[in-house]
Amino acid sequence: QKEVEQNSGPLSVPEGAIASLNCTYSDRGSQSFFWYRQYSGKSPELIMSIYSNGDKEDGRFTAQLNKASQYVSLLIRDSQPSDSATYLCAVTKSSNTGKLIFGQGTTLQVKP
Amino acid sequence: DTAVSQTPKYLVTQMGNDKSIKCEQNLGHDTMYWYKQDSKKFLKIMFSYNNKELIINETVPNRFSPKSPDKAHLNLHINSLELGDSAVYFCASSPLIIGTEAFFGQGTRLTVV
Repeated sequence: QKEVEQNSGPLSVPEGAIASLNCTYSDRGSQSFFWYRQYSGKSPELIMSIYSNGDKEDGRFTAQLNKASQYVSLLIRDSQPSDSATYLCAVTKSSNTGKLIFGQGTTLQVKP
Repeated sequence: DTAVSQTPKYLVTQMGNDKSIKCEQNLGHDTMYWYKQDSKKFLKIMFSYNNKELIINETVPNRFSPKSPDKAHLNLHINSLELGDSAVYFCASSPLIIGTEAFFGQGTRLTVV
């Protein structure tokens, strides 16, 4: 079992729709959760962090965390073609070494 | 005023050569990392340094040797390059060692021929 799992996609949504990206993790003691966006040929860019159960909203982005289910998700409302990228879920291990474990990423395509 | 900068951006070299990648951050962060992203886009940590001290050393061949002269710099030296070393290498930094997000440099695309 991979430590952090994401569906590689591609996930294709029409412009203006809600894109839902999902991630599961195996280390039950994980404390910190992050979503990064990576455009092709570019570096990962942090878009959301979440540390406690529930929802966290930032503009068009909402991160959702459910530690009991070991599940974290990212919702993108009013998706734009500029949102087309690979979205990486990252989790810190409970051993607290600061080590970020990444999922393999979900490719999102927003079609005009 | 780039936050995390690494050089070079592209590196093409022959098998068996030795090469270095440099990384500098001006964010005042204590912790720096090297990550490797393979052709399948999977991003995996290689090393972590906190205040010049090695904290994480994943199962990386000892041909890879990181060096941190101060907490703002973390360089990566690779000896005897192999075809399988071809990848994008990202330097990153974070303010604390525990549970905080990492900020990435622009990456170095290494191609070994």
